[in-house]
Order: sequence, then structure tokens, then C-alpha cells
Amino acid sequence: DAGVTQSPTHLIKTRGQQVTLRCSPKSGHDTVSWYQQALGQGPQFIFQYYEEEERQRGNFPDRFSGHQFPNYSSELNVNALLLGDSALYLCASSGTGASRASPNHFGNGTRLTVT
Amino acid sequence: AQTVTQSQPEMSVQEAETVTLSCTYDTSESDYYLFWYKQPPSRQMILVIRQEAYKQQNATENRFSVNFQKAAKSFSLKISDSQLGDAAMYFCAYSRGGSNYKLTFGKGTLLTVNP
Repeated sequence: DAGVTQSPTHLIKTRGQQVTLRCSPKSGHDTVSWYQQALGQGPQFIFQYYEEEERQRGNFPDRFSGHQFPNYSSELNVNALLLGDSALYLCASSGTGASRASPNHFGNGTRLTVT
Repeated sequence: AQTVTQSQPEMSVQEAETVTLSCTYDTSESDYYLFWYKQPPSRQMILVIRQEAYKQQNATENRFSVNFQKAAKSFSLKISDSQLGDAAMYFCAYSRGGSNYKLTFGKGTLLTVNP
């Protein structure tokens, strides 16, 4: 039973560029959430996708956008990269959108470095 | 807005001994969940234990137990018989009740286990 998988593992980009991160949820899960974890900090919620729509959004600018595909996998896109976007990006999946606090399963994250 | 505070940036414990990690939170909600996550160097967030606010009984998972003080909005994690593999960052997290609400994390506590 595959868990949450994220790609790539590491990424180096230049300021102003655009980046796409990918996430495949755990088998049987239909809800995907994205978090940004700066060095030495706890993860911060970016947004959540369910039924291919953004259902919740944290306090992040419009440069951060996402998508969910019919197979429940998801992408996180960041445009016009800033040095401050350097962080570990974590994907979490959970099952059955209407369930109560279905435990989130996390991937190993994508380490993004912006130079 | 909900906030989660972990006042201990670092803690250390001798192998086989007991350690308690502290967490306080602030919310006006009556229906919510509290979590402790472990993040080893592999970066993956691993759920350690979960507490539902409406349950008075403290959650227990093997060597891990919580002390949930609802009135004081306190949620501490006790690790008994500490093992070298327990060394990691520990994050306290909060989620509103209902359908897959976002997680709000504290800044984390780095736990070192000394042999």
C-alpha cells in the first residue's frame, strides 16, 4: 500500500522563475493538503483540494496555486519565486472528504531552494 | 484565529527515562482535535497520537500518552521508556472538528535521546 509520494525530492530555482511540485495521495484518499515548512518552523497550511476544487486556503498570496486531478493527485504551482519561498513543501492526504478529522498522512516533502 | 504554542525549543532525555513535552493552544471552538506529530530527519510527518476535545479520557498509544487539560487549553505529550528512535522534532497541532479542516502547528520541540 503506497503512502503519499512527492516529487521531486529537491529542487533549486532562481528568483522570478516558476515551479511545479507534485503529490500522489495514499491509496484510498481523496483529499490533498499542501503545507510550507520554513527552516526551524512548523508547517503552515497553504490550501486543500477535494473533488478537484480548492476547499480551504491559508494566508498565502495568489502566486501559490494548485490543481487536483481526477485520480486525486495534486500539483502545487508557485509563480515569480522569491527567496522567502525557500522551504520544505509537504503534501498530506486524507480520506473521505466528509469524515471527521481523518488522520492526515504526509509525504517526505520537496525541498525547494530559491537562489 | 487558532494558535498553538510550544514553549520548549529543545528537550533531552536519557534512554529508558520519561520526558514530557508541553503544548498550549487557543481556540473559541468547542469541537476540535489535537495531535502530536513526529518529524525525524527523513522529513516525513508521522502521527503519534490524537485527542478529540469532547473525550475526557486522555489518549494513549503504547509508550505515548497525553495530558489533556481542556479548561487550561493544555495538551502535553509524555513519552515513557524513551528509545533512541524517539529522537526527532515533535509538533503539536490543532484542527477544528468536522470535515478535514486544516492543521495549525506549533513551532516544534527538538527531542534528543541520550544513550
